[in-house]
Amino acid sequence: EVQLVESGGALVQPGGSLRLSCAASGFTFNSYAISWVRQAPGKGLEWVSTISGSGGTSYYADSVKGRFTISRDNSRNTLFLQMNSLRAGDTAVYHCAKPLDTTARFTFDSWGQGTLVTVSS
Amino acid sequence: QSVLTQPPSVSGAPGQRVTISCTGSNSNIGAGYDVHWYQQPPGTAPKLLIYRNNNRPSGVPDRFYGSKSGTSASLAITGLQAEDEADYYCQSYDSSLSGSVFGGGTKLTVL
Repeated sequence: EVQLVESGGALVQPGGSLRLSCAASGFTFNSYAISWVRQAPGKGLEWVSTISGSGGTSYYADSVKGRFTISRDNSRNTLFLQMNSLRAGDTAVYHCAKPLDTTARFTFDSWGQGTLVTVSS
Repeated sequence: QSVLTQPPSVSGAPGQRVTISCTGSNSNIGAGYDVHWYQQPPGTAPKLLIYRNNNRPSGVPDRFYGSKSGTSASLAITGLQAEDEADYYCQSYDSSLSGSVFGGGTKLTVL
């Protein structure tokens, strides 16, 4: 059974930094591109970032480009999101998401329950 | 403002049929990129409902049907049930943004 478990969410001040983690199990981790998708309280889904299975290629939404960095440790089956220069608009539940198959980067068939990031002074 | 436009809400009585539209542009749906649909009941993570326009993952009832035409896509739900009450999101890829895009979401209320 596929499992994705996020951690690292917290209350942080504007301008601060945070590192999220997503522990994966139940599938061949290094074969899949993995993504972060966020959902602000009471709002819709927003794709944030995706990293290839090897970790060599990454993609970012314009709203986080230059501030967030996605990475992965395939030896530990773990995905990361380093978040810098945080803003109030980054407040959201952050989900990691796995695609349906190795060819479909953005078709998410497995989701973690998410970790809450709150940016406030 | 979402790149893909969905109605904020739809409603229907049990047993009825409802449709949810998803309107994009020539840089996403109109460019031929696939559309996917997700169901999110309150307080839960999203669940893949329809992938690649009209395919259902294992376990999704055939009451859910996806279609795509031009720059738009639709999700139809027939034989509405109380358990269908949830938020529904469409998703595609946008070439001008070089990334995935979601619709703003549609809240389905079963009357």
